[in-house]
Amino acid sequence: EAGVAQSPRYKIIEKRQSVAFWCNPISGHATLYWYQQILGQGPKLLIQFQNNGVVDDSQLPKDRFSAERLKGVDSTLKIQPAKLEDSAVYLCASSLVLRGPSTDTQYFGPGTRLTVL
Amino acid sequence: AQSVSQHNHHVILSEAASLELGCNYSYGGTVNLFWYVQYPGQHLQLLLKYFSGDPLVKGIKGFEAEFIKSKFSFNLRKPSVQWSDTAEYFCAVNSGGGADGLTFGKGTHLIIQP
Repeated sequence: EAGVAQSPRYKIIEKRQSVAFWCNPISGHATLYWYQQILGQGPKLLIQFQNNGVVDDSQLPKDRFSAERLKGVDSTLKIQPAKLEDSAVYLCASSLVLRGPSTDTQYFGPGTRLTVL
Repeated sequence: AQSVSQHNHHVILSEAASLELGCNYSYGGTVNLFWYVQYPGQHLQLLLKYFSGDPLVKGIKGFEAEFIKSKFSFNLRKPSVQWSDTAEYFCAVNSGGGADGLTFGKGTHLIIQP
């Protein structure tokens, strides 16, 4: 089974530039998450999609970050304009179960390491 | 709001030593608890999870964790570590039906010396 795919793996930009990250979840996974992991910290949830609808974007800095999930499959996360403090690894994860008596596993991609200069 | 606290940020052990990594969470409702591991150069992957039932959970590679509700704790244990256990370990929590986003601790960097 193919895992969560992300691209690019690395990106270096100047502050105030724009950048976009792409994620392809595991086939059939209804739920998709974007996390931000700053060096020395654990991942922090930015946004959660269920199919192509947003479930939780309470921690997404909406003045500069945006995300969409096309046709309930692939997703893109955009930053415009980038700030120095956006330097981090951006992780995409997906899971299968929508709701149920058990808790599903989130499968993580390799991440995109963003450096803002 | 949920929060997760991992007490040990860096741990160095010798091979065959026993391991216990502490994790405490803050949340008043029903929670699901997870330990994820990130080996050098690899993705985050699930070690084990708890959502109900037996509070002693067994995971992959000989790891186990015990949920103690009265202490809001979910400590990770392994009786005898190997050099290949060198990695970053993250405790995480979510609530609700199980599909909610995870709240992670800051992680513990474990180094096993041969």
